[in-house]
Amino acid sequence: QVQLQQWGAGLLKPSETLSLTCAVYVGSFSGYYWSWIRQPPGKGLEWIGEINHSGSTNYNPSLKSRVTISVDTSKNQFSLKLSSVTAADTAVYYCARVRYAVPAATPYWYFDLWGRGTLVTVSS
Amino acid sequence: SSELTQDPAVSVALGQTVRITCQGDSLRSSYASWYQQKPGQAPVLVIYGKNDRPSGIPDRFSGSSSGNTASLTITGAQAEDEADYYCNSRDSSSNHFYVFGTGTKVTVL
Repeated sequence: QVQLQQWGAGLLKPSETLSLTCAVYVGSFSGYYWSWIRQPPGKGLEWIGEINHSGSTNYNPSLKSRVTISVDTSKNQFSLKLSSVTAADTAVYYCARVRYAVPAATPYWYFDLWGRGTLVTVSS
Repeated sequence: SSELTQDPAVSVALGQTVRITCQGDSLRSSYASWYQQKPGQAPVLVIYGKNDRPSGIPDRFSGSSSGNTASLTITGAQAEDEADYYCNSRDSSSNHFYVFGTGTKVTVL
């Protein structure tokens, strides 16, 4: 069954704001961090940012000035906004659940659940 | 440093063993996680922690770590293992953001 369901506009013009939402249908919403990750066509994965149920966020420094991640705990949803998009923001955007073992002798983090991805194309 | 470096591509004969490596400073103080991605699909977690596999991941996948290098080993590679593989860890300087490796394309011959 669908565990992370994501949606949002797939075609944007330069300078517009990208907006995506991810709904969580698995387990507990609180107690985890929830991330956005993107992948330009033919390229590797890039982490965008994360949020927890109380709204605490961390962002990729390279995108921080344009990114806002928010949470709606009443709906078990979290959202991504990326402002002033350009063609370089064309990518498949994924939502994912973060799990971690910290503090620990050797800490680790991992993304155990992923949405199916949303292709966002920026073109004039 | 916030970089994780992987070899771009490796090939393995059907049924043989292949090791994929991931190098980066953050791996000196944390374990990497590993993801398999097939064309047109979302990544799938295959290894996390010291050497843990999620439910449903075959035991031919294993992980190890030494110094600044994490490794993913596929023992007895199958045709369905042909995919891109990415490592991931948290940045060692700020510890507040994640970094993915550059990715390795595994071809099963």
